[in-house]
Amino acid sequence: DTAVSQTPKYLVTQMGNDKSIKCEQNLGHDTMYWYKQDSKKFLKIMFSYNNKELIINETVPNRFSPKSPDKAHLNLHINSLELGDSAVYFCASSQERHSTDTQYFGPGTRLTVL
Amino acid sequence: DAKTTQPTSMDCAEGRAANLPCNHSTISGNEYVYWYRQIHSQGPQYIIHGLKNNETNEMASLIITEDRKSSTLILPHATLRDTAVYYCIVRRSTGFQKLVFGTGTRLLVSP
Repeated sequence: DTAVSQTPKYLVTQMGNDKSIKCEQNLGHDTMYWYKQDSKKFLKIMFSYNNKELIINETVPNRFSPKSPDKAHLNLHINSLELGDSAVYFCASSQERHSTDTQYFGPGTRLTVL
Repeated sequence: DAKTTQPTSMDCAEGRAANLPCNHSTISGNEYVYWYRQIHSQGPQYIIHGLKNNETNEMASLIITEDRKSSTLILPHATLRDTAVYYCIVRRSTGFQKLVFGTGTRLLVSP
């Protein structure tokens, strides 16, 4: 059983297009995250949602809009894609009520903007 | 969140213990030390965490110095599958805390 899943795994698109990446977790967690890993392999937090409420927004361009329809899903919609958006995007989830607060990561979505 | 310093890369022979150091000299009293690793082309994976006592689980052991300014992750019998980038992260254990990943240590386990 996959704990945190993302679709698609690969996404190749043209500049200016709008695309979405979906994330689902079956761990019953109440908090979900989006991270971006660029070509230099730096991994940075973008957003975090707790019980469908935005709690972390790391100065990400407003072309990026996360949407959480329920606690188990956190989708990432990107408008007007730019070359610099090419990266691997990771979704993660955790249970904030527990002291360990371990984050579980999905397999990643490799986005290539041409 | 306190900053961490790790060596850029390390090598280890298969079957031997891999000892990965991390310095976190500005750690606060309520901050834990977490270790994650990222195997090539995969998402980061939680390994272990601790506050001040040494910890052990099925994956690794974590040794934290008494002053808590540094720690060592120990993989007791490294295998080829342990080749990955290992991240040492310091953060509070509760509240809505983001994980701040540094550059990590690239561990290469060789036959």
